[in-house]
This record gives sequence, C-alpha cells and structure tokens, in this order.
Amino acid sequence: AQSVTQPDARVTVSEGASLQLRCKYSYFGTPYLFWYVQYPRQGLQLLLKYYPGDPVVQGVNGFEAEFSKSNSSFHLRKASVHWSDWAVYFCAVSRTGGYKVVFGSGTRLLVSP
Amino acid sequence: NAGVIQTPRHKVTGKGQEATLWCEPISGHSAVFWYRQTIVQGLEFLTYFRNQAPIDDSGMPKERFSAQMPNQSHSTLKIQSTQPQDSAVYLCASSLAGGNTGQLYFGEGSKLTVL
Repeated sequence: AQSVTQPDARVTVSEGASLQLRCKYSYFGTPYLFWYVQYPRQGLQLLLKYYPGDPVVQGVNGFEAEFSKSNSSFHLRKASVHWSDWAVYFCAVSRTGGYKVVFGSGTRLLVSP
Repeated sequence: NAGVIQTPRHKVTGKGQEATLWCEPISGHSAVFWYRQTIVQGLEFLTYFRNQAPIDDSGMPKERFSAQMPNQSHSTLKIQSTQPQDSAVYLCASSLAGGNTGQLYFGEGSKLTVL
C-alpha cells in the first residue's frame, strides 16, 4: 500500500529565505503526487500535482516540487518565503488511475520576520 | 463556484449523543470523500462515493459511523453514541471524474467536540 512520510513536523524559515519541505513516498510503480496547503481554519487546497512526465512541477504562489524516482521523494521548494505562506503543508500520493489519496502527517511552516 | 460546503462548522455533543455532519459537493463532481483529521492521526480516509454509490468505506469505524449520499448534491456522515475519541475535524472533499485524478477539493471542515 502507498504511504507518505514527512519527516519534519515543523519548519521555521525567515521571510525572504528559501524553503524546502521534505516528502518521501512508498509506492510500487509510478504514483500521482500532490502537495496541499492548509491555512488556519480552512480546508486543504491543492498547491501542485505531479502526473508522470516532467519531474519538476510548478504550482501556485511560486511553489515548485521535484519528483525523484530513485530517491522516492517529492520535495517542495520556494525561492523566497512570504509571511502569508504560514500554514501546514501536506504531501499526498495516489495510485495511478486510483481514487484513494493518502496524506502525510503534514509540516507546519512558521515564517519569522 | 461555491466550493465544497460543510455544515455545521462546529458541533459540540455530549458523550452518547448522535452527531450528523453535512456536505454539499461542488456541482458536477461525481466523487465525494470523507476524511477525519486529528493531531495524533493526521488525515485519515473514511469513505468514498462515486455517482452517489458507496464504493469504499474501509476507513469507517464499523459500529457507530455511517455515511450516505441520497442525492448528488449532498452527503451525510452520522456518528451514533459519540465518544470523546470521535472529537476531530471531519473534512469532506469532492472530485471530478470519479476521483481517479487524485485532485481533491476540500470543504472547510466540521469540528466535532465530544464532551
């Protein structure tokens, strides 16, 4: 069965600094991969998605992620963090053509001034 | 596009009482999912409907939880004899194309507190 590990429960970044949030997946085959963001008191919103193809995918608000089959990873990056990026970020995996989306435990991003 | 609508946003019940949570998916979406979110367990899949038919309820606690989708515009999650461990945020999501793209649109959630 597929699973997702986000090793960092909390990450603190200074505003304007670069960001990387880590995600490792476990899946036999080529998965669909996602990053979702949850702002305070809101539901989850899709940031970006990977379907088999270009390993670097662009998302909203300057976010991007890179798929690595050899490392079983799908790390999220942003060149310059803004205070409004303060949120919880979830990595997720789905089987190609399947319906069940499995989420990681989330990484809380704190942005310091 | 109004998004996925969940009601109530907050519900407080006493132990042993019943709680019903409502979800209105995005119009035209044929897939509806329920997830439970807690600090300890994170996001747990509960159940999935496609074209109103129950497809997968493997995440539902069998004895007290039930979900229905009587029409394409709403789904309900009912918890009988609520227990303190049922306290969580219950998230509803909908998706196009039977959900097999994996892209979900979430509501803001219903926070259930069982005293």
